[in-house]
Amino acid sequence: EPEVTQTPSHQVTQMGQEVILRCVPISNHLYFYWYRQILGQKVEFLVSFYNNEISEKSEIFDDQFSVERPDGSNFTLKIRSTKLEDSAMYFCASTEAGTDSYEQYFGPGTRLTVT
Amino acid sequence: LAKTTQPISMDSYEGQEVNITCSHNNIATNDYITWYQQFPSQGPRFIIQGYKTKVTNEVASLFIPADRKSSTLSLPRVSLSDTAVYYCLVGGGSQGNLIFGKGTKLSVKP
Repeated sequence: EPEVTQTPSHQVTQMGQEVILRCVPISNHLYFYWYRQILGQKVEFLVSFYNNEISEKSEIFDDQFSVERPDGSNFTLKIRSTKLEDSAMYFCASTEAGTDSYEQYFGPGTRLTVT
Repeated sequence: LAKTTQPISMDSYEGQEVNITCSHNNIATNDYITWYQQFPSQGPRFIIQGYKTKVTNEVASLFIPADRKSSTLSLPRVSLSDTAVYYCLVGGGSQGNLIFGKGTKLSVKP
């Protein structure tokens, strides 16, 4: 069964450093998403991406965040200058086009720890 | 997107049927009702989606009354591995971003 993959599984970085989180969505999917989940809290939407541009973003997704699809398979989330409060699990998700389903396929997540 | 209300936690025993009810009084005409499951340190996983009446798949059933102001996720004969957080989401259209609430933490005991 196809699945969304994410790397690394755990990233530790110092405050102020840039991090890039990587995702490989399911190959025939065209819509891509990033969510985050701070420990013990709910899953929060960050950004959606379709046709090589951002479709929608939340207020969390400020100028410190950016997304990119550098090639035909990877989808990345960059945090330019990390803060302590960026520590969270970051989930990538994807879904196919042309469906009425709300079924998004989530990756296993990257645990980001900012020290 | 319509706001949802569901119990914070539920306890059950192996082999029992579990019903988790979600209220969504402000559901819009074009909104679907979707349920996700999340295990600790894993991404959410789609369980089931419905619009009205009853939907059943190999994992669960979803009951939606005629007024659609609530829905009930039914898990038949739960096992220890069904211990997870279950989220009820309401929204319209496809490809939209998902808005998660706090979910219901289900604990299944032996």
